[in-house]
Amino acid sequence: QKEVEQNSGPLSVPEGAIASLNCTYSDRGSQSFFWYRQYSGKSPELIMSIYSNGDKEDGRFTAQLNKASQYVSLLIRDSQPSDSATYLCAVCGANSKLTFGKGITLSVRP
Amino acid sequence: SAVISQKPSRDICQRGTSLTIQCQVDSQVTMMFWYRQQPGQSLTLIATANQGSEATYESGFVIDKFPISRPNLTFSTLTVSNMSPEDSSIYLCSVDRDRKTQYFGPGTRLLVL
Repeated sequence: QKEVEQNSGPLSVPEGAIASLNCTYSDRGSQSFFWYRQYSGKSPELIMSIYSNGDKEDGRFTAQLNKASQYVSLLIRDSQPSDSATYLCAVCGANSKLTFGKGITLSVRP
Repeated sequence: SAVISQKPSRDICQRGTSLTIQCQVDSQVTMMFWYRQQPGQSLTLIATANQGSEATYESGFVIDKFPISRPNLTFSTLTVSNMSPEDSSIYLCSVDRDRKTQYFGPGTRLLVL
């Protein structure tokens, strides 16, 4: 059974700090990796996708992928209170199906 | 990305009844999916809606309970049949236009009494 594991939360960081979110996956055949942000009462919003080993940066967000270790992470620099949300790690296999982690709730303290 | 709409946005239903949820996309997409997100939980894939053929259901989900239609490349429906309080959940459709990235609709919040 394909599994995606995320750190148990919640995670609390002060405003301006770096928030580090981690995710591991079990299926070595996974090809695509995603981070979604979900505000309370809203649907998931795609914030980062990564397909190859290494880092991918987009503004304050950096996704990191290590396929050998089956590990993907999301760093949020200069965290803002508006970043407070649940972050879902999702992994896609060859059949285009997404498997989601349980999510981690991030709280950014002003 | 894609502009995705769902109807209804929320509903309160009596047990034993059925509700049909619609998902409309602003352009043709190859793949459409239906997910369930139970309170405080992550997303679970119900099925892949295939255009012109029967949906492909995940383990634990059956067509009699969750019939799905996909008459064209921009529209799909999910019916939650013979509802019980355990079906109270958020139901989300998603689309994958390029077989790389999925985008989600706003969701349908269902409460079954």
